[in-house]
Amino acid sequence: DAGVTQSPTHLIKTRGQQVTLRCSPKSGHDTVSWYQQALGQGPQFIFQYYEEEERQRGNFPDRFSGHQFPNYSSELNVNALLLGDSALYLCASSNRDRGLSGELFFGEGSRLTVL
Amino acid sequence: QQQVKQSPQSLIVQKGGISIINCAYENTAFDYFPWYQQFPGKGPALLIAIRPDVSEKKEGRFTISFNKSAKQFSLHIMDSQPGDSATYFCAAHDSGYSTLTFGKGTMLLVSP
Repeated sequence: DAGVTQSPTHLIKTRGQQVTLRCSPKSGHDTVSWYQQALGQGPQFIFQYYEEEERQRGNFPDRFSGHQFPNYSSELNVNALLLGDSALYLCASSNRDRGLSGELFFGEGSRLTVL
Repeated sequence: QQQVKQSPQSLIVQKGGISIINCAYENTAFDYFPWYQQFPGKGPALLIAIRPDVSEKKEGRFTISFNKSAKQFSLHIMDSQPGDSATYFCAAHDSGYSTLTFGKGTMLLVSP
């Protein structure tokens, strides 16, 4: 049973560019959340998708957007990249029917470096 | 505003010793408190979790102690092993938003 898979694992962009990160949730999961983890910090919630809609959003600007597809996979898009966007981007999946257990399964992340 | 405060930032423990990591929170809407373990280059993995109606939960060498009135909880790792060397994050689940808020993490090093 494959867990949460993310791509690409590493990428380098320059300021002002745009980036798209991809995530496939764990089998049987229908909810995808994205987190940003800066170096030496804990993950920070960006947004959550369920039934192809953004359900919750953290304190991130509109440059951060996302999408969920009918097969539950998801994309995170970041426009007009800033140096401060350099971080590990984590995708986490869960099953909404399990209720508020809060158990998230994380992928290994996409390491974004903005030069 | 950091909603979950975690300490210490780093910790060195000898093999066989007890590792203790503490967290505190303010938001009374938090209803579930997991601990995650993260190795370098990997995503966080759920280690153990507790609900606020329980004061202690033990799984193997890992124990969570929870003090609801003080809004504090802690992770105890008994008989710490070099393989436990990792970064540990406490987190809190917000019942209103179905999201996790993480502490800043504790880098644990267990010396052989």
